[in-house]
Amino acid sequence: DQQVKQNSPSLSVQEGRISILNCDYTNSMFDYFLWYKKYPAEGPTFLISISSIKDKNEDGRFTVFLNKSAKHLSLHIVPSQPGDSAVYFCAATGGFKTIFGAGTRLFVKA
Amino acid sequence: DTGVSQDPRHKITKRGQNVTFRCDPISEHNRLYWYRQTLGQGPEFLTYFQNEAQLEKSRLLSDRFSAERPKGSFSTLEIQRTEQGDSAMYLCASSRQGNEQFFGPGTRLTVL
Repeated sequence: DQQVKQNSPSLSVQEGRISILNCDYTNSMFDYFLWYKKYPAEGPTFLISISSIKDKNEDGRFTVFLNKSAKHLSLHIVPSQPGDSAVYFCAATGGFKTIFGAGTRLFVKA
Repeated sequence: DTGVSQDPRHKITKRGQNVTFRCDPISEHNRLYWYRQTLGQGPEFLTYFQNEAQLEKSRLLSDRFSAERPKGSFSTLEIQRTEQGDSAMYLCASSRQGNEQFFGPGTRLTVL
């Protein structure tokens, strides 16, 4: 059962524009959500997170929005840079176990 | 702080052989996780340690898989009688108290 879904396998964006990556979840017991970025031949690296008691968290060019009623979260990157090209994983946790989505590959074109 | 390290980075083995992977977490992190990742998928949770205690195991972790963290520092993941379906990237992560996990580079296993 896919408790965390990233329905877009890939996204292509022009440099300087906004990138929006989406994620849906099914388990209402999740209380913390995270985004990780992964480059080839490396492990995922933590990017930004949000608690279920908030609806927005911002860190520089990265903002995560949480809509609990829709069980949906999104990651906004603005402005997008070529170095942002990577695979982005959405993850959710409600205890010891963290569930990851399948990832979205972002291409930022110069 | 040198980050999470994993050894080996690559392992090629024949079906039926046993393999063991090692993970060295960030030194002050008491939580350690193992994940498996296959092509086109996100990391799948395998097991979790808090200090030396293994507190949770996924149903993905069959009887052929065993993990240890004997002194609450490094951890090993052993796969006995490997099968071709075990071919994957095995990732280790560690954390302190928060939810953010720090991942190692992974061990890529290929079972021929």
